[in-house]
Amino acid sequence: GAGVSQSPRYKVTKRGQDVALRCDPISGHVSLYWYRQALGQGPEFLTYFNYEAQQDKSGLPNDRFSAERPEGSISTLTIQRTEQRDSAMYRCASSLGTGKETQYFGPGTRLLVL
Amino acid sequence: RKEVEQDPGPFNVPEGATVAFNCTYSNSASQSFFWYRQDCRKEPKLLMSVYSSGNEDGRFTAQLNRASQYISLLIRDSKLSDSATYLCAVRGAAGNKLTFGGGTRVLVKP
Repeated sequence: GAGVSQSPRYKVTKRGQDVALRCDPISGHVSLYWYRQALGQGPEFLTYFNYEAQQDKSGLPNDRFSAERPEGSISTLTIQRTEQRDSAMYRCASSLGTGKETQYFGPGTRLLVL
Repeated sequence: RKEVEQDPGPFNVPEGATVAFNCTYSNSASQSFFWYRQDCRKEPKLLMSVYSSGNEDGRFTAQLNRASQYISLLIRDSKLSDSATYLCAVRGAAGNKLTFGGGTRVLVKP
């Protein structure tokens, strides 16, 4: 079946603009995670949802970052007033339930802030 | 000190040889451990979970040492296609988030 999909795959924006990154998890997956990955580093946790409830947002760097999953399926990560340091690969992952299942990653959105 | 640390490598491995590398973690309450493989410009993909008793999947063997707080991955009979970055991931006692190491790069050469 279809895996995790993310859009856009690439986003170039100017400093100060807002961006919205979308994640469509594997159908039926309850848990959805957002990570950020810098070049040459491992993914860094940002936030996660079970259904529509945001369970942990401890990894969001500051209040310019927010995420939602209003219907418990598709999620949007929004970055307001982007800064050059926000440039990175933003990855979404999903897992089947709320236990300790495998997390499946999407292809990511590469964000470049000029 | 980072929560999860890995030797970045690269480990240059002759084809057919064995390579092993570790990942250390700082939180003794960590519950679950994983090895992910990441190819250049691709998403991480689960290679194997790491169980307390150690586990093997074909040419890959994973071990957990709770006393010294590290996990290891051993690759036997290395193939050219094993060239990748290997990420270790640790899940804590509470919540589902994974904490990743920086990855170990492995290059298998003919």
